[in-house]
Amino acid sequence: AQSVAQPEDQVNVAEGNPLTVKCTYSVSGNPYLFWYVQYPNRGLQFLLKYITGDNLVKGSYGFEAEFNKSQTSFHLKKPSALVSDSALYFCAVSTGAGSYQLTFGKGTKLSVIP
Amino acid sequence: KAGVTQTPRYLIKTRGQQVTLSCSPISGHRSVSWYQQTPGQGLQFLFEYFSETQRNKGNFPGRFSGRQFSNSRSEMNVSTLELGDSALYLCASSPRGIEVFATQYFGPGTRLLVL
Repeated sequence: AQSVAQPEDQVNVAEGNPLTVKCTYSVSGNPYLFWYVQYPNRGLQFLLKYITGDNLVKGSYGFEAEFNKSQTSFHLKKPSALVSDSALYFCAVSTGAGSYQLTFGKGTKLSVIP
Repeated sequence: KAGVTQTPRYLIKTRGQQVTLSCSPISGHRSVSWYQQTPGQGLQFLFEYFSETQRNKGNFPGRFSGRQFSNSRSEMNVSTLELGDSALYLCASSPRGIEVFATQYFGPGTRLLVL
């Protein structure tokens, strides 16, 4: 069975500072990893994904994520946080072998303080 | 391109009733998935359809069902509603065929309140 852990329920960061939202995963095959963001009363917006290749993935709105196979992690990062980045962030994993579902972490609430 | 649309956006039902939610995928997308989001359980996978066939089903009781039409639009139905079915129901569409790593694009959701 596949699973995703987001160890922090909430992350607070000052505007302009770098931010990191942590994610670890557990799968039996090759992982396909995704980050989504959810603003209040909205659906999920896709940020980026890792399929294979370069361990550093760049996505929308200046976000990037680093895939680390040995640590089974896929942390989301941004060099300089904006107040508008405040939202709920979800990490998700999918595997091959005919699995067409995403397994999500519990989510991390990011608050960027002006 | 228009995004994923879901109707209705909000719904109030009483216990024991049934409800049908609708999802129109992004044009050209043939895969539609449904998820339930609650504060306690987070985001949980319900089922996925591709070319009118259910390919995957999550761990939900048989009261939850779905279908997909030939134009890729999808509906999900919940019968005999329970208070615990109150949730945000999210639909996602994907351009994938057999590749499982294709991105899923989510709609705004239908918020269901069961009284």
